[in-house]
Amino acid sequence: QSVLTQPPSVSGAPGQRVTISCSGGRSNIGSGSVTWYQQLPGAAPKLLIFNTYQRPSGVPDRFSGSKSGTSASLAISGLQSEDEADFYCAARDDSVSGYVFGTGTRVTVL
Amino acid sequence: QLLESGGGLIHPGGSLRLSCVASGFRFRSFAMSWVRQAPGKGLEWVAGLSGNVGSTYIAESVKGRFSVSRDPFRDTLYLQMDSLRVDDTAIYFCAKDLEPTDLLESFDLWGPGTLVTVSS
Repeated sequence: QSVLTQPPSVSGAPGQRVTISCSGGRSNIGSGSVTWYQQLPGAAPKLLIFNTYQRPSGVPDRFSGSKSGTSASLAISGLQSEDEADFYCAARDDSVSGYVFGTGTRVTVL
Repeated sequence: QLLESGGGLIHPGGSLRLSCVASGFRFRSFAMSWVRQAPGKGLEWVAGLSGNVGSTYIAESVKGRFSVSRDPFRDTLYLQMDSLRVDDTAIYFCAKDLEPTDLLESFDLWGPGTLVTVSS
């Protein structure tokens, strides 16, 4: 049901940089801002990036967001073991007057 | 803080009402949403309610069966779920929009969730 497509998994060694892509369309990413959430096992999602680029207070600057056209990306630099989690992109979708999440990406620290 | 309740085991075709009690912010001013997560699956937005005016937005997958409302005097958000199906089984989270001026933008506060199991 997700209209935002993410890779199922990405992995990297500690200290490396990984990126997660999020592909959408003109009615969602293409027309507004993108949000990223981090979900640790057994926990509720946590806001990681809002307004495409901005970080809430307390989120390390190792996490950064970007967008180009109908696609967005989340970059994690200086990968740490505590970054192992599921990550979801999200955006409002004007074609359905609702909100859509990405398919989710599991990040594994090798 | 947000705290959901009302989940449980229900037979297919049954009804359930979930509640989400809010504290620590001006509840009536913020848009609120319900988001669900089936076992081992991703996140799915289910319903939203704008702040103040209270316009409602329902996902196509549950339209006609689910409705969302709020009681500003009890600082409580509700999700009424009717004609429940096996594939409605999920953890249901309530979530708050980041800014009072936002509507379905970014959710900065989430409850721990309540589990709904639809099974015969």
